[in-house]
Amino acid sequence: ETGVTQSPTHLIKTRGQQVTLRCSSQSGHNTVSWYQQALGQGPQFIFQYYREEENGRGNFPPRFSGLQFPNYSSELNVNALELDDSALYLCASSAGGGSYNEQFFGPGTRLTVL
Amino acid sequence: AQTVTQSQPEMSVQEAETVTLSCTYDTSESDYYLFWYKQPPSRQMILVIRQEAYKQQNATENRFSVNFQKAAKSFSLKISDSQLGDAAMYFCAYSTGTSGTYKYIFGTGTRLKVLA
Repeated sequence: ETGVTQSPTHLIKTRGQQVTLRCSSQSGHNTVSWYQQALGQGPQFIFQYYREEENGRGNFPPRFSGLQFPNYSSELNVNALELDDSALYLCASSAGGGSYNEQFFGPGTRLTVL
Repeated sequence: AQTVTQSQPEMSVQEAETVTLSCTYDTSESDYYLFWYKQPPSRQMILVIRQEAYKQQNATENRFSVNFQKAAKSFSLKISDSQLGDAAMYFCAYSTGTSGTYKYIFGTGTRLKVLA
């Protein structure tokens, strides 16, 4: 069984640029959630995708957008990057979109915005 | 708005001893779930234990147990017989799915140090 993978591992961008982060869900999982974890903080929920549809969103502006593909992998896109977007971005997959399901986390993508 | 508060930024425990990590939350929802996740240094976050709000019985997973006080909105984690491998950041989390729209809220974490 393959776990959750994320790419790239690290990324450096400059303010105003756009970035795309990728996540492959664990085998058999149809739900992907994205989180932003600033240094020394807990993860902040960005949004969740269930069967290619967004079914939950946290308090993030529209410049944070996502996609889920038929194979349940997912992308997180961030436009007009700001310095405060520097963080570890975590992807988590689960079997179903319910709030009780265990989430399996990937190793994260470390984004630095200069 | 729902919130999750972990008031202990750091805790230490002697190996083989017991430690309790605190978590309080605030919500007006009646149907929700609570979790404790562990994030070891430079490793992926994993689920430790979860609790359904409508169940009065406290969840237990081997050396890990919770004290769930719904009226007080408290959800503490007890780790018995602490081991060196328990050293990690521990996050308390809340989730709900009202009307099919889901959200997850994590606390700021408690760093647990295990002393040999």
